[in-house]
Amino acid sequence: DSGVTQTPKHLITATGQRVTLRCSPRSGDLSVYWYQQSLDQGLQFLIQYYNGEERAKGNILERFSAQQFPDLHSELNLSSLELGDSALYFCASTEGDSSYEQYFGPGTRLTVT
Amino acid sequence: AQKITQTQPGMFVQEKEAVTLDCTYDTSDQSYGLFWYKQPSSGEMIFLIYQGSYDEQNATEGRYSLNFQKARKSANLVISASQLGDSAMYFCAMRGYTGRRALTFGSGTRLQVQP
Repeated sequence: DSGVTQTPKHLITATGQRVTLRCSPRSGDLSVYWYQQSLDQGLQFLIQYYNGEERAKGNILERFSAQQFPDLHSELNLSSLELGDSALYFCASTEGDSSYEQYFGPGTRLTVT
Repeated sequence: AQKITQTQPGMFVQEKEAVTLDCTYDTSDQSYGLFWYKQPSSGEMIFLIYQGSYDEQNATEGRYSLNFQKARKSANLVISASQLGDSAMYFCAMRGYTGRRALTFGSGTRLQVQP
């Protein structure tokens, strides 16, 4: 158990809908990263937050957004969902901005039908 | 930009034998870290081992060792004495220490350990 929690574990929704994925980092970790794992794109970085502020963006679509709250949990919002958004979404946390090891949560498997 | 290449989509190994999973990388960063993660069929990402670009010795963690050859830009994972529970996807990843801190992953190698 990495100490990172993600909810829900599975999510099935229809095209055009909006969903919110939640991540609670390990206790004391200030930085949260979101990654998407899909069959065609592999594992790719979406966005990073550090202590409530956006720190870096990767291949995140404009339909997707994220935030990190004062209690350090983070939410990834996916809107106008398409079939291609079906993927495993991971969050990972680190203590600091430069800490080397990223602790991954169990992931949320999103299926868009 | 960073790039990780894993050229072995799948590997088979007999139980108790050693296996090497290949990883090459490309980066313009002077200081970087290399990682290996294991992803079993259940889906979670399990950190295995880390190598810093300035570390003089190859990293080892139990049955896992990282064969780091900086000049060749390779960071191969060696698993000794394979066990059935080692059957999984293995991902090589890297990150720099300036600029973006996120991990860049390779496409993975599926390892199957045979009894």
